[in-house]
Amino acid sequence: AQSVTQPDIHITVSEGASLELRCNYSYGATPYLFWYVQSPGQGLQLLLKYFSGDTLVQGIKGFEAEFKRSQSSFNLRKPSVHWSDAAEYFCAVGVHNYGQNFVFGPGTRLSVLP
Amino acid sequence: NAGVMQNPRHLVRRRGQEARLRCSPMKGHSHVYWYRQLPEEGLKFMVYLQKENIIDESGMPKERFSAEFPKEGPSILRIQQVVRGDSAAYFCASSPLASWDNEQFFGPGTRLTVL
Repeated sequence: AQSVTQPDIHITVSEGASLELRCNYSYGATPYLFWYVQSPGQGLQLLLKYFSGDTLVQGIKGFEAEFKRSQSSFNLRKPSVHWSDAAEYFCAVGVHNYGQNFVFGPGTRLSVLP
Repeated sequence: NAGVMQNPRHLVRRRGQEARLRCSPMKGHSHVYWYRQLPEEGLKFMVYLQKENIIDESGMPKERFSAEFPKEGPSILRIQQVVRGDSAAYFCASSPLASWDNEQFFGPGTRLTVL
């Protein structure tokens, strides 16, 4: 069965510091991988996605992620964090069922210190 | 073009009552997905609907939960005889086509509290 793990429940970084959020997945076929961000009281916003091709993908708000098939990982990175990046981040695998179903990880909550 | 709308944003029900959650997809989107987010957990897929059809309800609890997406009007997620364990945030998402090339847009969610 498909699954997504995000080992870090909560991460705190200082503003301006670099960030890496970890994501590991389990999926039998070639995965479609996504990162979403959820601000408090809001819905999810797509940061970036990977389907195929270049394993380093760029997203919005200065985020990027690298797909590593050998490690079954899709880690999210940002070189310099801004206070507005404080939010919950979800990694997800796209499941090839009847439609576009996702299997989401449990999320990583990011806090940013001034 | 307005985004995905959900109402109410917050809903409080007592055990045994019914909860009706509404989702208006983005204009031109005929595919709707419902997800449930329990406290401290990620979103879990519940059901996928197209206009007037349930396509995949593999994530729906077998009892008390139902969903519809009529020809006219919003999609409705209905929970009968709510229990405390139904307290969660319920999100819907919509897309124009069932293709991964088309982004799925999420609404702000309805937070259901069962007393």
